[in-house]
Amino acid sequence: EPEVTQTPSHQVTQMGQEVILRCVPISNHLYFYWYRQILGQKVEFLVSFYNNEISEKSEIFDDQFSVERPDGSNFTLKIRSTKLEDSAMYFCASPTQDMAFFGQGTRLTVV
Amino acid sequence: GEDVEQSLFLSVREGDSSVINCTYTDSSSTYLYWYKQEPGAGLQLLTYIFSNMDMKQDQRLTVLLNKKDKHLSLRIADTQTGDSAIYFCAERAGAGSYQLTFGKGTKLSVIP
Repeated sequence: EPEVTQTPSHQVTQMGQEVILRCVPISNHLYFYWYRQILGQKVEFLVSFYNNEISEKSEIFDDQFSVERPDGSNFTLKIRSTKLEDSAMYFCASPTQDMAFFGQGTRLTVV
Repeated sequence: GEDVEQSLFLSVREGDSSVINCTYTDSSSTYLYWYKQEPGAGLQLLTYIFSNMDMKQDQRLTVLLNKKDKHLSLRIADTQTGDSAIYFCAERAGAGSYQLTFGKGTKLSVIP
């Protein structure tokens, strides 16, 4: 299975702090997605990114979130001022024509 | 909006077959997926089916799709203890989007 790499695997942060989650998608893929999974709940779509622009976003993806592609291979999700309810697993996904591969996730714990 | 529903729990004995069911609402779904998630781990793509197919078999896994009833199932033959995990059904919207809508997941427990 093609590999999508996420770092860090686990991050603990204080409420109000900024966090940056990183993803290296499958090379040459143009679409990238972020999802989150609050403990015990559904995996929810956050945002999709195509050709250096946001192509779709959900209601969850408010002004405290941003996505960037700082260089050719990395893809980041920034949460500006974390809240307790941002604690979740965050997954990056790299789709192909017919499949969607997910990274191992970053477990974010806001205390 | 789109919705995907799954039963939350399934318990089977080792060696038996497991059948995990899923229903979805989006009639324009193009692809449907099954993912496996072990405790604390990521989402592993198990298999997928294109909406113009009604069955797909891959080793111990069989996917059945009833597009008329918007019903998807995953059958695991000869279930092993290593199959214990949460299984997510997901559907992909129509052309132009790779966004997936997930069910809540079915926790499969395999009894030795």
